Amino acid sequence: QVQLVQSGAEVKKPGASVKVSCTASGYTFTNNGISWVRQAPGQGPEWVGWISGYNGETYYAQKLQGRVTMTTDTSTSTAYMELRSLRSDDTAVYYCARRPPNNSGNPVTDYWGQGTLLIVSS
Amino acid sequence: EIVLTQSPGTLSLSPGERATLSCRASQSVSSSYLAWYQQKPGQAPRLFIYGASSRATGIPDRFSGSGSGTDFTLTISRLEPEDFAVYYCQQYGTSPALTFGGGTKVEIK
Repeated sequence: QVQLVQSGAEVKKPGASVKVSCTASGYTFTNNGISWVRQAPGQGPEWVGWISGYNGETYYAQKLQGRVTMTTDTSTSTAYMELRSLRSDDTAVYYCARRPPNNSGNPVTDYWGQGTLLIVSS
Repeated sequence: EIVLTQSPGTLSLSPGERATLSCRASQSVSSSYLAWYQQKPGQAPRLFIYGASSRATGIPDRFSGSGSGTDFTLTISRLEPEDFAVYYCQQYGTSPALTFGGGTKVEIK
């Protein structure tokens, strides 16, 4: 069965960096992309970005451009999201989700990781 | 960027009642790439409906999605206790970007 398992909660100080991992199993990692979504406390989800499991192509939300980097390690079917220059408003649960390719006929984020809580506080 | 507006913000209903949730897009959603997710406290969103009207694997048939263009609806025909949660609509298109609505909380009256 498809599973996405994320790394554990993080507490960081403003200005620091964090790197969250998402390890996939139960499907062919390189045939799908990974979307990253965050959800601040009491708020709705917000798209952070996407990375192709095939070639590492990335798209980032404009508001996070320059602070976020997504990478993959296909040997371990793991995706990473690094966020730098952390601010208090980056405090949120960060989710990874599988996103099938457009030519699958239905590129919806169908399976989600359990989430990683990031707290940014001095 | 497509903006999704969900209404109502909160729906107070009793078990057994019918729930109708609305999601309106600021511009037409291509190929009905509109999904609905259920989220319970402390859990990740769970895909319920994709392609505006197709149920995801394991989703009971009391859940149905409809609509096209800019107006979409999620209907729960008879609310079960486990259905009380927050529901989000999402536009996914062919671009990598995703857009979410603000959510509708279905609470027990």
